[in-house]
Amino acid sequence: EAQVTQNPRYLITVTGKKLTVTCSQNMNHEYMSWYRQDPGLGLRQIYYSMNVEVTDKGDVPEGYKVSRKEKRNFPLILESPSPNQTSLYFCASSPIPSYEQYFGPGTRLTVT
Amino acid sequence: RKEVEQDPGPFNVPEGATVAFNCTYSNSASQSFFWYRQDCRKEPKLLMSVYSSGNEDGRFTAQLNRASQYISLLIRDSKLSDSATYLCVVTPGGATNKLIFGTGTLLAVQP
Repeated sequence: EAQVTQNPRYLITVTGKKLTVTCSQNMNHEYMSWYRQDPGLGLRQIYYSMNVEVTDKGDVPEGYKVSRKEKRNFPLILESPSPNQTSLYFCASSPIPSYEQYFGPGTRLTVT
Repeated sequence: RKEVEQDPGPFNVPEGATVAFNCTYSNSASQSFFWYRQDCRKEPKLLMSVYSSGNEDGRFTAQLNRASQYISLLIRDSKLSDSATYLCVVTPGGATNKLIFGTGTLLAVQP
């Protein structure tokens, strides 16, 4: 089954404790991206990747890191999480940006 | 001004009604346009792409007006299952490969 998976689905953590949210897709897609969704602000792109070892900033990259060492995986790293990073995070993939985005199920992160 | 703007709603309509949503975008060089649907606390899913000539998929019709920089979504014969948030999505084009999402329009179809 073609899908995008994210782990964990729910995470409660404390300020400053490094965490990684994993994202994996099995569709051989070139393009992958991370979004955060907040009430009233909608989905905002954090980082995206056009291919292995090619990443670029979206609209809200501060406080986040990503890597793309393999085509299928695109982890999101929060080196020192803060409460303003409490949000719902989605990973997505597609063959190219101007094509249908396939989203993962989301990760609800709470930073206290 | 936001790059993509939508009326947040909610739009409360009875079953069988026709409802229309608009979305405006600020970048005249925008290249690709989409409507996504998002159910509560779920991931967004593509509803339809929007083509310059307009396109229809069953009860759904999407239109693009490049001169006025807006896209629209028309839903005919609304069903209870159409209740969701509808997201307008634009690719700005040019040197960027970003995607810009509107904040969404909430539709509630009432029995």
